[in-house]
Amino acid sequence: GAVVSQHPSWVICKSGTSVKIECRSLDFQATTMFWYRQFPKQSLMLMATSNEGSKATYEQGVEKDKFLINHASLTLSTLTVTSAHPEDSSFYICSATLIGGSPYNNEQFFGPGTRLTVL
Amino acid sequence: AQSVTQLDSHVSVSEGTPVLLRCNYSSSYSPSLFWYVQHPNKGLQLLLKYTSAATLVKGINGFEAEFKKSETSFHLTKPSAHMSDAAEYFCVVTSGSSNTGKLIFGQGTTLQVKP
Repeated sequence: GAVVSQHPSWVICKSGTSVKIECRSLDFQATTMFWYRQFPKQSLMLMATSNEGSKATYEQGVEKDKFLINHASLTLSTLTVTSAHPEDSSFYICSATLIGGSPYNNEQFFGPGTRLTVL
Repeated sequence: AQSVTQLDSHVSVSEGTPVLLRCNYSSSYSPSLFWYVQHPNKGLQLLLKYTSAATLVKGINGFEAEFKKSETSFHLTKPSAHMSDAAEYFCVVTSGSSNTGKLIFGQGTTLQVKP
């Protein structure tokens, strides 16, 4: 149980275009999903917290107009990279928190990631 | 503020020998601590977690970690390394006391296992 999927697993796009990445919790409902960014050989950096039915909360330094997050249902959150540029190329990872599990355990279930390459 | 430091960016061991991946944390309250593993081009998998219960935590695949408050450490160990253990390992601490669910990741340790 507790499986999180991401689609697509990889994407190549031209500079200036927008790319949408989906994060789905397949067998559970998640009130909260998180979006991370990981550069090669580096750690994960939290970009934003996505709560179902409300606006996402962005970390300091993350442009909310650049990285649009929508959490329309308890099983789906999307990240749209708008007007992508080569510096946006990265590995984007989402995670979801299980409803009903103790919130104080803070266990997150991670998706497999999406590799974005902007030419 | 909460933070986590992984003391080694790269650890190399021979197959069958013990593994030690070191992690120190800083927290102004009682934290939850985790170890995750990331294999190439795959998602993160939870190895084990500490949430103020037993200080010696046993995880999957023979890994365990001991929470030492006096040393602010949460080192990951395994008695005998296997080739399949080669991966990136992250020590993670919860962020903030308000239970936002946020996690802070260490910089990661690459574990190399030699035949």
